[in-house]
This record gives sequence, structure tokens and C-alpha cells, in this order.
Amino acid sequence: DTAVSQTPKYLVTQMGNDKSIKCEQNLGHDTMYWYKQDSKKFLKIMFSYNNKELIINETVPNRFSPKSPDKAHLNLHINSLELGDSAVYFCASSQTGQGPDTQYFGPGTRLTVL
Amino acid sequence: DAKTTQPTSMDCAEGRAANLPCNHSTISGNEYVYWYRQIHSQGPQYIIHGLKNNETNEMASLIITEDRKSSTLILPHATLRDTAVYYCIVRSGTASKLTFGTGTRLQVTL
Repeated sequence: DTAVSQTPKYLVTQMGNDKSIKCEQNLGHDTMYWYKQDSKKFLKIMFSYNNKELIINETVPNRFSPKSPDKAHLNLHINSLELGDSAVYFCASSQTGQGPDTQYFGPGTRLTVL
Repeated sequence: DAKTTQPTSMDCAEGRAANLPCNHSTISGNEYVYWYRQIHSQGPQYIIHGLKNNETNEMASLIITEDRKSSTLILPHATLRDTAVYYCIVRSGTASKLTFGTGTRLQVTL
């Protein structure tokens, strides 16, 4: 009954490859997010989708392309992987409404680019 | 969103209350104070949030000063499992990003 799940948990790949990370939430939320945590442990927003529409895009290289097939899924596709893409990627979701929304995070995907 | 300032690290004995301070002197009237924590290698975990009034839930209490320029997260009876990095975040609006700072590393000891 995991609320926000991500696959895979670990991903090791070579430079130049293309890879995808999947995120699913079973909370019925209408907004999903991708965050990146680098080696220095700084956690930063990358993207946000509300009802499958992109609403936040924070200066992320266009090698990163989020895809939201439905409200419960937000996948992250990365082309031409670089060493600097090595990080832990966290997916989150929230339900928007009249008041402040609370974001719930997945367990993370640790990406290592060799 | 307003910037927050937190101590880099704190220690707390198990069973004692852990009081984690946060300064947010430039907070705006419509901005909420959120607290999240990140236990090693896990995803950030929501703890509590508030606007003006003090708040309490099963995890913690949040005390916000009357001028709203600072707040304190209280873990009433800290356990070893509460060892984590605690982030104080000021945020407005819905579906907006969480801007994480460096947080406070809380070490709970025997």
C-alpha cells in the first residue's frame, strides 16, 4: 500500500545512455513533482505537473523530459546521460485545493552515471 | 518564498524533548511554515505545518511566534529513530515548490 513509489531504486549506467525513472502515486493526488538531491545533499525541484499539465520547470537541461500519462504517474526520461546527472531523484505528489497542499515523497532513485 | 535559517546541527538525549528553531524574518502574510525531515537515504517526510497558530499532531508540535518571524519544532520525546535532517520551509500557494535549505542535523543519543 505504498503511497508514492519509484522504480528502479538504483540505476547504474554509462555516460551517453538514455534512461527512465518511473513514479506512481496511489493517493489520488492531482499534482506530482520531481526533485533532485545532489552529492552535497541539496534537494531542488525540477518539475511539477498538475492534472497532467506542466506547471513548474526549473532551469533543467532539455535532456530531462518528464512525461505524465495520467494523474497517477509522472515518469522522468533522461537523454545522453552525463556524469553530473548522478544524484538521488525523488518523486512527490500532493492534492491541490483551497488550502496549502502537503507533498508526500517517494523513496528515491539513486542514479549513478559512470 | 522567504528564506529560512536553521542551526547546522543539534544533539538531544533520547527521551528528552528536541526543540529545533527556525528563523524566517522575511515571511509574508500568506506564507506557511512547513517542517520536513529526511532520515538517511530516505525520501523527505512531512511532519507538520502552520500559518499563525501553534499546531500539534501525532509527530510533533509547531510553535510560531506572534510576529511569525521564527518558529520551533518540538519533538516531545525524542527517540533514536528521530535522528535525521530537519528542514524548515516557508511556502506560499498550492502546488508550489518546496525550497529546501541545508536543514538541521539532529542526532539523538542514548
